[in-house]
Amino acid sequence: QSVLTQPPSVSGAPGQRVTISCTGSSSNIGAGYDVHWYQQLPGTAPKLLIYGNRDRPSGVPDRFSASKSGTSASLVISGLQAEDEADYYCQSYDSSLSGLYVFGTGTKVTVL
Amino acid sequence: QVQLQESGPGLVKPSETLSLTCTVSAYSISSGYYWGWIRQPPGKGLEWIGSIHHSGSTFYNPSFKSRVTISVDTSRNQFSLKLSSVTAADTAVYYCAKDSGSDWFDPWGQGTLVTVSS
Repeated sequence: QSVLTQPPSVSGAPGQRVTISCTGSSSNIGAGYDVHWYQQLPGTAPKLLIYGNRDRPSGVPDRFSASKSGTSASLVISGLQAEDEADYYCQSYDSSLSGLYVFGTGTKVTVL
Repeated sequence: QVQLQESGPGLVKPSETLSLTCTVSAYSISSGYYWGWIRQPPGKGLEWIGSIHHSGSTFYNPSFKSRVTISVDTSRNQFSLKLSSVTAADTAVYYCAKDSGSDWFDPWGQGTLVTVSS
């Protein structure tokens, strides 16, 4: 029951910049809850990519950046590389239905 | 660094109970944090199931209503998931993960595929 909407797919050539949007509502992102992003390479478990709206865990390249505004958030990959081809998910907290963690619908990034 | 590993049956019959265990290494569950379960049906997105604190305090995704139970065994450094009355819709890769306490999950286990079929 994803309440965070992402585009199903985005693509770009190596070196290009791609942006993935994550649209929520007043009960999650718009309520001020943080947004986090995960990268899921084919056949592997999701890996934390961005936490707290814009912070990168140690080891995550700085070509990954993110921001949040209003009821939406965005993940930017600058200087797209072949190894960035993966599924990306946003995640936040939702205060409706007694509170729960919600994930985005997921975006497949294809490197052309 | 902290590592998590899921274990349990890969095949469960409809109407039965799915049971999985997550073993945590390189970190004592008793030290704190929440620990969660997330699932991913084949070809689909991620869905949070529930989380548990080392004290035993739990919170669940309301979508699972009364079907889910998460428990912790600090002596074995494990936490477990039970999902009752399963149907084919419960077929998924089930992941366990450390819940940071600030809403994000890191790290994750490698995941285990559970198929519901007779």
